[in-house]
Amino acid sequence: GAGVSQSPRYKVAKRGQDVALRCDPISGHVSLFWYQQALGQGPEFLTYFQNEAQLDKSGLPSDRFFAERPEGSVSTLKIQRTQQEDSAVYLCASSPGTVSTNEQYFGPGTRLTVT
Amino acid sequence: AQKVTQAQTEISVVEKEDVTLDCVYETRDTTYYLFWYKQPPSGELVFLIRRNSFDEQNEISGRYSWNFQKSTSSFNFTITASQVVDSAVYFCALKTALGPSGSARQLTFGSGTQLTVLP
Repeated sequence: GAGVSQSPRYKVAKRGQDVALRCDPISGHVSLFWYQQALGQGPEFLTYFQNEAQLDKSGLPSDRFFAERPEGSVSTLKIQRTQQEDSAVYLCASSPGTVSTNEQYFGPGTRLTVT
Repeated sequence: AQKVTQAQTEISVVEKEDVTLDCVYETRDTTYYLFWYKQPPSGELVFLIRRNSFDEQNEISGRYSWNFQKSTSSFNFTITASQVVDSAVYFCALKTALGPSGSARQLTFGSGTQLTVLP
């Protein structure tokens, strides 16, 4: 079956532009996570959805970051008024259940470059 | 708060050598889960292994093996008879089982170890 897909794979934005990053999780997966991975670093948690409910957004770095999953499947991460420090790979992961033992399946990421 | 430390930034070995990747973790929770992920140049994180905090038995799976020691909070990962295709960044990660709704399910990653296997 299809894995987690993300689009676009690459995005170049001028400072101040708004961007929207899309994640298509594995069909039927309840949990969805967004992570931010800076160059040479490990991924860092941004936000977590259980179905359409955003249960944890403690990792979002500022109020310029907004995520939604309105129908409990596809999710969009939006960054308003992008800054150079937003340049990173944004990874999406989905998981079939809600318990901590569930493995997370990662997408290929979207590489955002803010110029 | 949780923390994962991978002190080795880069490791280079010759094909067929064994290589061990180190991982040290910190958590105050008594139940937690440890993972190793591989990130090839394509960027997608690939799950390799998971270990539960209540099971310290070390195992071997093909060319992969791991050494989990609670006493030293270490979860080291070994690749035997390394191959060029093993070249990637390897991440150790921690997930706790308890905590506020949602927050316990996130993975906390180390900074990764770049493994290069030379032919």
